[in-house]
Amino acid sequence: SAVISQKPSRDICQRGTSLTIQCQVDSQVTMMFWYRQQPGQSLTLIATANQGSEATYESGFVIDKFPISRPNLTFSTLTVSNMSPEDSSIYLCSVEDLLRTGNTIYFGEGSWLTVV
Amino acid sequence: DQQVKQNSPSLSVQEGRISILNCDYTNSMFDYFLWYKKYPAEGPTFLISISSIKDKNEDGRFTVFLNKSAKHLSLHIVPSQPGDSAVYFCAASALNSGTYKYIFGTGTRLKVLA
Repeated sequence: SAVISQKPSRDICQRGTSLTIQCQVDSQVTMMFWYRQQPGQSLTLIATANQGSEATYESGFVIDKFPISRPNLTFSTLTVSNMSPEDSSIYLCSVEDLLRTGNTIYFGEGSWLTVV
Repeated sequence: DQQVKQNSPSLSVQEGRISILNCDYTNSMFDYFLWYKKYPAEGPTFLISISSIKDKNEDGRFTVFLNKSAKHLSLHIVPSQPGDSAVYFCAASALNSGTYKYIFGTGTRLKVLA
């Protein structure tokens, strides 16, 4: 499977600031997704990062709060804007490559954000 | 509306015995199911999957069973090892507007006792 690197792996952020998380894949993949896992909760899909166009957001998530970019087939960023303590979470990049690995998604190591 | 449910938040099993983790889903459009394992401070790791056209898939110590009529799947780990202690998530996918979307359950924390 593809190697997925996320940066930062961990950060402590001040309330009201914004942070951008980067996701780099070592090979071209068809799909990239961003998930969130709040403490004790499941993995919740934030959005699908579309290459060269606007991301597709899930219900409850909006572009102003979570702007996403995907300039090419190996890289994506997620920004968490105007952070509040409720945004403290693990943010996970995941990828799908239908041609090589079929209906399976693989995850990066995650970015652990704590908002104080 | 939780489309994928794992009703047991935790499970303890003796080393060498079988671990059975359960998962229920509500959406009949799901056609592919997956299990992931997650250790603390790491991202989820893919374990095993099953297509809706099958009722069983086996990979080493891991077997997934699918009961479509009951909208239920289970993961069997035999024999269980202490290194299997982790949180296990089941996931289901369906084609949505031309792409597959993956929905996860709430997880079951497995503890294998030595």
